[in-house]
Amino acid sequence: AQSVAQPEDQVNVAEGNPLTVKCTYSVSGNPYLFWYVQYPNRGLQFLLKYITGDNLVKGSYGFEAEFNKSQTSFHLKKPSALVSDSALYFCAVRVEGTGRRALTFGSGTRLQVQP
Amino acid sequence: GAVVSQHPSWVICKSGTSVKIECRSLDFQATTMFWYRQFPKQSLMLMATSNEGSKATYEQGVEKDKFLINHASLTLSTLTVTSAHPEDSSFYICSASTRGLNTGELFFGEGSRLTVL
Repeated sequence: AQSVAQPEDQVNVAEGNPLTVKCTYSVSGNPYLFWYVQYPNRGLQFLLKYITGDNLVKGSYGFEAEFNKSQTSFHLKKPSALVSDSALYFCAVRVEGTGRRALTFGSGTRLQVQP
Repeated sequence: GAVVSQHPSWVICKSGTSVKIECRSLDFQATTMFWYRQFPKQSLMLMATSNEGSKATYEQGVEKDKFLINHASLTLSTLTVTSAHPEDSSFYICSASTRGLNTGELFFGEGSRLTVL
């Protein structure tokens, strides 16, 4: 079985400050990891993914994430937060080679950026 | 990026009626589509995997006869909530996977909010 944990329900950060949204995973096999963002009453927008290669992945809107195999983590980061980054963020995982293409999502973390 | 269109965005219906939600891939062929359900302030729960031309695969605990899924073409999957009840009220989101891209991200529709009175 695969699972994703997002330990923080909400993260508060001041505009201009760096932000981190945490994600850890548990899988049997090699993980494919994803971050999505959701605005109110909207679907999910893809931010970035890790499949293989460089552990630091850069994505949309200035976001990046670092894959850490030893800590089974894939934290989302941004050097300077914007008020418009305020939204719900989901980490998701799929396992290589299982044939299961659906994603398993974490519980979500609400990011609140204060002006 | 690939575009997935979902319709309707909002639907309100009376208890006992059926509601159909459409999910279309607009600029790519989606051999597989996924239907998720999201409760308020909660994560997305996979309901079923819809494969073009074959029966959907439902997750454990999801009633097949309640949530009818049809994937008649490479660009359209439908979810029909039959004999809807207030507990079926939720946000339903579809997503699509492009052919052959097992490493690829899923593309999501904008979601459909169902309210059953």
